[in-house]
Amino acid sequence: RKEVEQDPGPFNVPEGATVAFNCTYSNSASQSFFWYRQDCRKEPKLLMSVYSSGNEDGRFTAQLNRASQYISLLIRDSKLSDSATYLCVVNPGGGYNKLIFGAGTRLAVHP
Amino acid sequence: GAGVSQTPSNKVTEKGKYVELRCDPISGHTALYWYRQSLGQGPEFLIYFQGTGAADDSGLPNDRFFAVRPEGSVSTLKIQRTERGDSAVYLCASSLGPVYGRMNTGELFFGEGSRLTVL
Repeated sequence: RKEVEQDPGPFNVPEGATVAFNCTYSNSASQSFFWYRQDCRKEPKLLMSVYSSGNEDGRFTAQLNRASQYISLLIRDSKLSDSATYLCVVNPGGGYNKLIFGAGTRLAVHP
Repeated sequence: GAGVSQTPSNKVTEKGKYVELRCDPISGHTALYWYRQSLGQGPEFLIYFQGTGAADDSGLPNDRFFAVRPEGSVSTLKIQRTERGDSAVYLCASSLGPVYGRMNTGELFFGEGSRLTVL
């Protein structure tokens, strides 16, 4: 079993749609959680951290359920520029940023 | 520039050859990481440096892979006797030092990668 599992997609949605991505992780001792965004043939970049209380950044909302070892990302009012691969990321701890990445979920937003 | 710089951006080599990939991290970042990303997969951890020392090399796939960071800044990933399966994008990332307190957000800053193709 992979340490971080995601639905690979692709999710094809029209502009303005709301789309949700889910992710599960296997290490219950994991300490911090993130969503990274990766554009085609570019490097991954941090989109947002994920907290148990849930957190929001504009149109993006992230949620963590530690009991279920489940992470989600909700994108509201999708834009063409949101088209990318969204990587679910877990830090198992240890005092440094040894991040474990999922394989990513591809999103394609069309006019 | 202010970001992580990697060279070469593309490298094509023949099976059995030796390659070196270079990473210049963000100034002031003491932590440096190498990752490898194959097509359709997320980045996979290879090695972590804190300063000059390799604090965690558990992700290196075998002894053909080696990395150094002699002065605590620039790092070189070295691959001996390359195999076709080594073809991937090799990503370097840097961050502030160990995660103590609130200064380190857990964010890694990646370079654009070195795309290695082994024929």
